[in-house]
Amino acid sequence: GDSVTQMEGPVTLSEEAFLTINCTYTATGYPSLFWYVQYPGEGLQLLLKATKADDKGSNKGFEATYRKETTSFHLEKGSVQVSDSAVYFCALAPKETSGSRLTFGEGTQLTVNP
Amino acid sequence: NAGVTQTPKFQVLKTGQSMTLQCAQDMNHNSMYWYRQDPGMGLRLIYYSASEGTTDKGEVPNGYNVSRLNKREFSLRLESAAPSQTSVYFCASRPRTGFDYGYTFGSGTRLTVV
Repeated sequence: GDSVTQMEGPVTLSEEAFLTINCTYTATGYPSLFWYVQYPGEGLQLLLKATKADDKGSNKGFEATYRKETTSFHLEKGSVQVSDSAVYFCALAPKETSGSRLTFGEGTQLTVNP
Repeated sequence: NAGVTQTPKFQVLKTGQSMTLQCAQDMNHNSMYWYRQDPGMGLRLIYYSASEGTTDKGEVPNGYNVSRLNKREFSLRLESAAPSQTSVYFCASRPRTGFDYGYTFGSGTRLTVV
């Protein structure tokens, strides 16, 4: 079945550091890929998405590129802020099945210190 | 504000008690979902409703039932609560089941079964 694997957390960075959170997936065909963010005490919010190979999703300074050859969708940000502290989830949705239910990774806790 | 509303936000149950978690969305979305979030396991799909009048099992449906009352509302029922059902429950919706539509999540219900 479909699965998503994220780098283990927690990740702790200083403000203005470079961020990478790794995400790899296993799926039949070419799914759509997503990054969601969950701030403390809140639900998940869509951060960015990519629907086909070589697409780059971007939002709020975060970027991720859909790499078909390595089945990866790593999240990057050039300079993190304290306000980026949250849990980040990588997810996929298959194109072929009805319902297109999202499959989530385990989540990566990010803490940014001033 | 438009979005997904979940009630209650917190609940403590005794083993064997029953309860219903309520979810309503005001975005005219067709599809609705119930997930549970447990530490280190990401989000797992319990049930979903691709459209009004239909419901289907997800990854972990045992011990739960759902009702899609109308297009806006999708409730989750625990008939006889067990400690293993202690979790944070999230309701989500999306415009339709197309692969590139992201979910909108509610803020969650934190349930403890003692």
